[in-house]
Amino acid sequence: DAGVTQSPTHLIKTRGQHVTLRCSPISGHKSVSWYQQVLGQGPQFIFQYYEKEERGRGNFPDRFSARQFPNYSSELNVNALLLGDSALYLCASSFSRSTGELFFGEGSRLTVL
Amino acid sequence: KQEVTQIPAALSVPEGENLVLNCSFTDSAIYNLQWFRQDPGKGLTSLLLIQSSQREQTSGRLNASLDKSSGRSTLYIAASQPGDSATYLCAVRSSNNNDMRFGAGTRLTVKP
Repeated sequence: DAGVTQSPTHLIKTRGQHVTLRCSPISGHKSVSWYQQVLGQGPQFIFQYYEKEERGRGNFPDRFSARQFPNYSSELNVNALLLGDSALYLCASSFSRSTGELFFGEGSRLTVL
Repeated sequence: KQEVTQIPAALSVPEGENLVLNCSFTDSAIYNLQWFRQDPGKGLTSLLLIQSSQREQTSGRLNASLDKSSGRSTLYIAASQPGDSATYLCAVRSSNNNDMRFGAGTRLTVKP
């Protein structure tokens, strides 16, 4: 069975540009969460979507947005990129909203120059 | 606000040793706690999930315990191997919101 898949795996952008990251959850999982991980730190929560509705939002600026599609895949969008947005962006899926085990993808490594 | 702390930040042991990694959290109102492994530049691999009603979980050489009242969890690794070298992260899902809070991790090196 396929795990959580993310694309692209690596990308380089310049300040001010926009980026879209994509995530496909494990088949049957309805919850998708996004995390940002900078070097040497644990992942920081950005968004959770469950049944196509936003269920949680972390302490990130409005430049960050996301959505979940009818097939439960998800996109994370970041506008007006800053150097500090350089990080590994991780997507996780789970079967339930609150109590399910989280499964992560390999991440999208974003470098902002 | 839930805070998660992992001690030590780094640990180096010889092959074959048994070891314990520690995780503490400030708010005991949790749904569950999950331990992950992360290899450099990679995603997170789930190791063990402990629901708030459970005291421990075991998988192979790994055993995780949870003491919700004291805000602590430990990950015990038996007979460590060089392939266990990685960063180990614990994460807590609080009952009052749906985000998982992560510690900064313990970087484990097992020397042959």
